[in-house]
Amino acid sequence: AQSVTQLDSQVPVFEEAPVELRCNYSSSVSVYLFWYVQYPNQGLQLLLKYLSGSTLVKGINGFEAEFNKSQTSFHLRKPSVHISDTAEYFCAVSESGGSYIPTFGRGTSLIVHP
Amino acid sequence: GAVVSQHPSRVICKSGTSVKIECRSLDFQATTMFWYRQFPKQSLMLMATSNEGSKATYEQGVEKDKFLINHASLTLSTLTVTSAHPEDSSFYICSACAGAAKNIQYFGAGTRLSVL
Repeated sequence: AQSVTQLDSQVPVFEEAPVELRCNYSSSVSVYLFWYVQYPNQGLQLLLKYLSGSTLVKGINGFEAEFNKSQTSFHLRKPSVHISDTAEYFCAVSESGGSYIPTFGRGTSLIVHP
Repeated sequence: GAVVSQHPSRVICKSGTSVKIECRSLDFQATTMFWYRQFPKQSLMLMATSNEGSKATYEQGVEKDKFLINHASLTLSTLTVTSAHPEDSSFYICSACAGAAKNIQYFGAGTRLSVL
């Protein structure tokens, strides 16, 4: 079984500042990793995913994440945030291979102030 | 591509009534759909896996007689909350897989259920 830890429940940041949302996981096997964004009263939208290959993954809306196997982390970053990035962000992990349902972290609320 | 439509987006009902929530894959066929429940400020809790043409697989602790799931076609799964009570009030989200891979899911917009 795997688990996901999102250390920060809330991250406040000013507009145009950089941001990093932290995600650590634990698993005894190879994993796939995901970041989702959820806007208020909406479902989840996939931001990016790591399945294999380059450890630096670029996603939509200018976000990127880096898979660090030794530190079992998959932190999400954006060099300059906008007000519209205010949302809930979920990290998820699944065992590699297609038949495994992801486990979601508790979420991090990103709050961008003007 | 890979659009999932969930309806209704919001429902308010009286205690004791049943509520049906629909989840449709609009531009792909989904042999597997998932139903999640999300409490305020918390993550998604998987309730059940809905398989087209067969019985749903429920997670431990989820009452199958309370949360009825039907997946009658490759594009539609329904969740019926039977005899709803205030403690069933929550945000319910469905998702679907576009292929055989269960780890890449496309989510509906969710349904906010409020039971009075």
